[in-house]
Amino acid sequence: AQSVTQLDSQVPVFEEAPVELRCNYSSSVSVYLFWYVQYPNQGLQLLLKYLSGSTLVKGINGFEAEFNKSQTSFHLRKPSVHISDTAEYFCAVRGTGGGNKLTFGTGTQLKVEL
Amino acid sequence: EAGVVQSPRYKIIEKKQPVAFWCNPISGHNTLYWYRQNLGQGPELLIRYENEEAVDDSQLPKDRFSAERLKGVDSTLKIQPAELGDSAVYLCASSFSLQATGELFFGEGSRLTVL
Repeated sequence: AQSVTQLDSQVPVFEEAPVELRCNYSSSVSVYLFWYVQYPNQGLQLLLKYLSGSTLVKGINGFEAEFNKSQTSFHLRKPSVHISDTAEYFCAVRGTGGGNKLTFGTGTQLKVEL
Repeated sequence: EAGVVQSPRYKIIEKKQPVAFWCNPISGHNTLYWYRQNLGQGPELLIRYENEEAVDDSQLPKDRFSAERLKGVDSTLKIQPAELGDSAVYLCASSFSLQATGELFFGEGSRLTVL
């Protein structure tokens, strides 16, 4: 089984500032890692994913994340945020074997202020 | 290409009443998921279908929840009778199971309020 910990429930940041949303996972098997974004009253949209290869993954809207196996982390970063980035961000993990379910963290609310 | 479609978007009922949610996945996606998202929490899997077979329903409260995917395409999730604690957003997602990436595509959700 896998689990995900998102330590920060809320992250306030000023527009054009950099941001990092933290994610740590636990798993006894190899994993795939994902970040999803959820805007108010909408479903989840995939931001980026790590499957294998380069540990630095680039996604949509200027976001990137780095997989760190030794620290079991997959932190999400953006060098300069915009008001439109205000949303809930979920880190998720799935075992690479067939049939493993996608397990989500509790989410981090990113609030971008002027 | 149409995304995952869910209905209704919003539903308000009194406790002990029944309720049903419908989901139509992306065309060609043979894996369908129902997740429940409580306020301020991440989604939690209720049931996963591979075609018409429920392959993981370990988290589905079977005393009051039921689901079906009779023809391996669209699916219905039912709650009967509803309890106050069932208030949540019910998310449907689909994926192409032969892809090892595990990427899920989500609908906009059905928000249930039980009074």
